[in-house]
Amino acid sequence: DVKVTQSSRYLVKRTGEKVFLECVQDMDHENMFWYRQDPGLGLRLIYFSYDVKMKEKGDIPEGYSVSREKKERFSLILESASTNQTSMYLCASSRFDEKLFFGSGTQLSVL
Amino acid sequence: KQEVTQIPAALSVPEGENLVLNCSFTDSAIYNLQWFRQDPGKGLTSLLLIQSSQREQTSGRLNASLDKSSGRSTLYIAASQPGDSATYLCAVRGASGSARQLTFGSGTQLTVLP
Repeated sequence: DVKVTQSSRYLVKRTGEKVFLECVQDMDHENMFWYRQDPGLGLRLIYFSYDVKMKEKGDIPEGYSVSREKKERFSLILESASTNQTSMYLCASSRFDEKLFFGSGTQLSVL
Repeated sequence: KQEVTQIPAALSVPEGENLVLNCSFTDSAIYNLQWFRQDPGKGLTSLLLIQSSQREQTSGRLNASLDKSSGRSTLYIAASQPGDSATYLCAVRGASGSARQLTFGSGTQLTVLP
């Protein structure tokens, strides 16, 4: 079975901290994505990657960066966490233009 | 810019009823369309994917149809059960197939009453 694993289900951080969210997929997918989901705003794309070391900005990249050093792992980095980054973060992967598979999400609270 | 709308935002039905969820999109030049379910506080689970050349896809009690020309897709759930209670989202991929062109609807929250 297809598996996308996010390292934490819940995370609480302080304003100004550097935060790492990790995502690993075991399906040898080329594409990996980071979304955030907020009530009333739906899913918004932060960054995606279509190959190792390749990345492209999504709709809301400000305040975030990403790293993809290996094909199976895609990391989202909050350089200096702020309260408006409190959200549900969802990682996903797909083979080129095929089905999208999601992880179980990380609920991040920034205090 | 592609816009994806799901109406109604919430739906409540008695157990056993057949129901239809709607997804409409403004740009008919799409590559594929995918339906997901999301349980509270969880990630999205893929249900069905329809390619632009297809008219429908079936999986168990679920049937998804696609009418590109009218910009509509429906998800039909037969003999609904309380376990079907969740939020259902559709996502449309633009004609180039690019990952950049995925647009999600805001979802329909379904409650199936025992």
